[in-house]
Amino acid sequence: GAGVSQTPSNKVTEKGKYVELRCDPISGHTALYWYRQSLGQGPEFLIYFQGTGAADDSGLPNDRFFAVRPEGSVSTLKIQRTERGDSAVYLCASSRGLADNEQFFGPGTRLTVL
Amino acid sequence: KNQVEQSPQSLIILEGKNCTLQCNYTVSPFSNLRWYKQDTGRGPVSLTIMTFSENTKSNGRYTATLDADTKQSSLHITASQLSDSASYICVVSGSYNTDKLIFGTGTRLQVFP
Repeated sequence: GAGVSQTPSNKVTEKGKYVELRCDPISGHTALYWYRQSLGQGPEFLIYFQGTGAADDSGLPNDRFFAVRPEGSVSTLKIQRTERGDSAVYLCASSRGLADNEQFFGPGTRLTVL
Repeated sequence: KNQVEQSPQSLIILEGKNCTLQCNYTVSPFSNLRWYKQDTGRGPVSLTIMTFSENTKSNGRYTATLDADTKQSSLHITASQLSDSASYICVVSGSYNTDKLIFGTGTRLQVFP
């Protein structure tokens, strides 16, 4: 596709449920990033993939959060036992993977945990 | 803790006027500094990217400056348009070998006719 796409655009779930958020990066981009943005705040780094492997997952808040990128393209962010504090916009970005490369962001998935 | 601080938090200007947004950072080691524009409900879009050796960079009506000694940057918007209404986020890359970005909280700009 022409840009980074994310699905779903909105997700409402109940506390304690499991959710998966999907990111389709720009074709050919080897690097993929997940960020979380709370209302009125800038995005916070969660995890960074180079190809299929997680190069840096230091931003994942706890072991309820996990992300995969099995074929080096599409990535899924998985959140177990969701909590109300997980409510935020989850942004995905991709880049060509070289240092200082521009990151292109998707529109985000707005997650609401009731 | 690495930080990127922006001011003002919000700003209202009239169409056609100029404005300047400020960014101070304490991130170290420093690789590059970026300004992003984020429209409501959309992902951020890059405006400028500057390495530590660059002092200024322009993108149309947007001009970013960087003083790596004082760790300050500014984004100047000339002849503002209604479509400039958005959040402007200062972003610093703290390592040359990764693209891990550290975002400020943004300045919310509203341009009125």
